[in-house]
Amino acid sequence: QKEVEQDPGPLSVPEGAIVSLNCTYSNSAFQYFMWYRQYSRKGPELLMYTYSSGNKEDGRFTAQVDKSSKYISLFIRDSQPSDSATYLCAMIKGGGSNYKLTFGKGTLLTVNP
Amino acid sequence: DGGITQSPKYLFRKEGQNVTLSCEQNLNHDAMYWYRQDPGQGLRLIYYSQIVNDFQKGDIAEGYSVSREKKESFPLTVTSAQKNPTAFYLCASRDRDTDTQYFGPGTRLTVL
Repeated sequence: QKEVEQDPGPLSVPEGAIVSLNCTYSNSAFQYFMWYRQYSRKGPELLMYTYSSGNKEDGRFTAQVDKSSKYISLFIRDSQPSDSATYLCAMIKGGGSNYKLTFGKGTLLTVNP
Repeated sequence: DGGITQSPKYLFRKEGQNVTLSCEQNLNHDAMYWYRQDPGQGLRLIYYSQIVNDFQKGDIAEGYSVSREKKESFPLTVTSAQKNPTAFYLCASRDRDTDTQYFGPGTRLTVL
């Protein structure tokens, strides 16, 4: 079983839809959770960062973490064509020399005008 | 502006040649990373460096080499020993306060 699982999609939605992107993980040692957005042929950019169970909101984006279920989500409200990208979940365990960042494989999202 | 730069954006190489990919950061981050990204495989860690003059192998280091002579620079050499070098290469550096990584724009390497 992989430490981080992410449905690769592709996911296609109409403009204005609410998008839900999800990752599950198997190792309870993961402490910090992130979402990156990656446009085609570009580097990933950090979108959301959170470390506690619950919701964190930033504009149209909400990151949700459920540590008891080992499940994280990213919700995008009022999706726009400019949101079309690959979304990568990422998780950190350990610190110092034991630091380890693990990525999901990414979900390709297309928002159709 | 603070950030990470990678050059070149596109690189073509003949089989049997070594090539070096550049990565520079002005974020004053100590730790830097190299990843390889292939379709459907996500990001795989090649090498990382937590401090100047020190680096460690990641999950797929075979056929690659790095150096870290300056805090700002972490070049990656793809050697002729790398069997499948065609890929998108990403450099990142780590924020010590949040442990998050910030990425450069990437270099697409194609072996002809």
